[in-house]
Amino acid sequence: AQSVTQLGSHVSVSEGALVLLRCNYSSSVPPYLFWYVQYPNQGLQLLLKYTSAATLVKGINGFEAEFKKSETSFHLTKPSAHMSDAAEYFCAVSNNNDMRFGAGTRLTVKP
Amino acid sequence: DAGVIQSPRHEVTEMGQEVTLRCKPISGHDYLFWYRQTMMRGLELLIYFNNNVPIDDSGMPEDRFSAKMPNASFSTLKIQPSEPRDSAVYFCASSRRVGGIHEQFFGPGTRLTVL
Repeated sequence: AQSVTQLGSHVSVSEGALVLLRCNYSSSVPPYLFWYVQYPNQGLQLLLKYTSAATLVKGINGFEAEFKKSETSFHLTKPSAHMSDAAEYFCAVSNNNDMRFGAGTRLTVKP
Repeated sequence: DAGVIQSPRHEVTEMGQEVTLRCKPISGHDYLFWYRQTMMRGLELLIYFNNNVPIDDSGMPEDRFSAKMPNASFSTLKIQPSEPRDSAVYFCASSRRVGGIHEQFFGPGTRLTVL
């Protein structure tokens, strides 16, 4: 069985501050890991994915995530938050044909 | 490519009525997924298809829910009869396996309100 746990349903940062969204996974085989972003009233959009190549993955909009097998983690970071980053972020794991999503973390960016 | 297309974008209906949600996947994708998103339960996988065949429907909540994929370019999710607790946003996603992994592309969703 595979699953992901996102720590913190809400994260609030100031504009320009570091963004850190946490994700831990559980998988019986080497996983494929994803981060998706959902803006209000829209579908999910892929930010980045880990496919067992480089452990540090760079995505769109300045986001990146690091796969740490020893910690079973795949945390999402961005050095400097923009107001436009306010959204809900989902971590997901896949090692079969389906994908399991975390509960999501809502990011608020304060001016 | 136009991306995954869902219709309608919004649906308001009364309890007991039949509701049909529609999805057109991205051309060339052979997997199609239906999800439901609510505040209480988050994003739930309802069912997925591979080459138009249902593979896993364990997430379908009740017999009132049914899904079909008559061809590679069209799928429906039907609720009959609908209940207020079915109110949610329903997403369709499609993908194809590349190098052993799936990258799912999501549609904009259908917001369903059952009164």
